Amino acid sequence: DGGITQSPKYLFRKEGQNVTLSCEQNLNHDAMYWYRQDPGQGLRLIYYSQIVNDFQKGDIAEGYSVSREKKESFPLTVTSAQKNPTAFYLCASTSLRTKAEAFFGQGTRLTVV
Amino acid sequence: ELKVEQNPLFLSMQEGKNYTIYCNYSTTSDRLYWYRQDPGKSLESLFVLLSNGAVKQEGRLMASLDTKARLSTLHITAAVHDLSATYFCAVDGNNNDMRFGAGTRLTVKP
Repeated sequence: DGGITQSPKYLFRKEGQNVTLSCEQNLNHDAMYWYRQDPGQGLRLIYYSQIVNDFQKGDIAEGYSVSREKKESFPLTVTSAQKNPTAFYLCASTSLRTKAEAFFGQGTRLTVV
Repeated sequence: ELKVEQNPLFLSMQEGKNYTIYCNYSTTSDRLYWYRQDPGKSLESLFVLLSNGAVKQEGRLMASLDTKARLSTLHITAAVHDLSATYFCAVDGNNNDMRFGAGTRLTVKP
């Protein structure tokens, strides 16, 4: 089945530690996105990518990094520079050619311990 | 920079009533989305609107798009409890940067 998969579902991070969230899609989509959602809030754009080996900062990129080495994969690293990383992280993908709906993964809930 | 504004942010409705959620955006766009989110869950796609005057309907929900006014509406007809959720609109910017409104938390009461 085609879809977009995020892992892990839950992640715990110690102070000062970097962690990487995985996002994989087998939909042959060009564009991929990372969003952060805090409790009771909307989605804020962290990074997005339209093609392999290229990505752009969103509104809250500080303390995060990404890579796009393969079309199918767009991992997000939450670095120790991100002082308040506890949040729900959502990955999405869409086709820029067909302009169909964007699909979301199931999300990763990150907690600092 | 693309800005997306939704209102109202909170909506409490009686079952059987009608209401409309509004989504305004600041720059031209060729794609607008509506999503539903249940508590603790990811987003579920409801509609994609691609052209001026586009109207889509699914059950008790109907979405429309006016690109000249940079406005989309999500109309709820004869609300039922199962529609209780948070509804988001999202817009593609000129750089394919998809940005979201703040969401409308809908509660349908019996």
